Amino acid sequence: TQLLEQSPQFLSIQEGENLTVYCNSSSVFSSLQWYRQEPGEGPVLLVTVVTGGEVKKLKRLTFQFGDARKDSSLHITAAQPGDTGLYLCAAIGMDSNYQLIWGAGTKLIIKP
Amino acid sequence: DVKVTQSSRYLVKRTGEKVFLECVQDMDHENMFWYRQDPGLGLRLIYFSYDVKMKEKGDIPEGYSVSREKKERFSLILESASTNQTSMYLCASSLHPPAEAYEQYFGPGTRLTVT
Repeated sequence: TQLLEQSPQFLSIQEGENLTVYCNSSSVFSSLQWYRQEPGEGPVLLVTVVTGGEVKKLKRLTFQFGDARKDSSLHITAAQPGDTGLYLCAAIGMDSNYQLIWGAGTKLIIKP
Repeated sequence: DVKVTQSSRYLVKRTGEKVFLECVQDMDHENMFWYRQDPGLGLRLIYFSYDVKMKEKGDIPEGYSVSREKKERFSLILESASTNQTSMYLCASSLHPPAEAYEQYFGPGTRLTVT
C-alpha cells in the first residue's frame, strides 16, 4: 500500500511568519498535487509537480518535488489569514489508473 | 467555469434509512469519484466510475453502492444508513489520463449525520 504522510498535522502561526509543510512517502510517484480546502468547501487544486527537483511558485507559495519523486514540500512566505485552510497532497502512483493517493492533510491557521 | 454540484450541503438521517447523495458535473468529464472525509484520515475513496454504467470499488466500499446512468451524474447510495457513516461526503470529477489531466474538481461536500 502506498502511503503519503503529511507533517505537521496542525500548524497555527501569526500573520507574516514563514512556514513549510511536508508530504513524504517511501514510494516513487509519477507526479504529485497540492490542494487547499477551505472550511465548508471541497479541495481546490493549487499545483501539480511532475519532474524530480521541480520547483513551482504561486505568488507567496513555493512547491518543490523531491529529486527522487518520493516527497514534496510547500513553503509559504509571509503567511496571511487568507492562507488558512487544510492543505492536502495527492500523488499519482507509477502504475496508477485514475486514482489519487491522498495524504491526511495539514490544517493551517494564520492568526491576524 | 468548471462546476461540480452536490444535491445537499447538510443531511440528517436516521439509522436504517436509505440515503441518496447526488452529484452532477458540467465539464463532460469521464471520471467521477465519491470520497468520505473524516478528521485525521484525509480523503478515502469509496467508489469511482470511469465511464457511464461503469464502476470500480475504492478503498472503503462496504455499506455503499453507486449508480452512473448518465455521464454527468454519479449517485452514492447508503442502503441502510448507520451511525459510523456520519461523515463529510465529497464528489469529484476528472478527465482521463495523461498525468496532467489527473486534476480532480470537487463539489462543496455533503455533511451527513446519521442518528
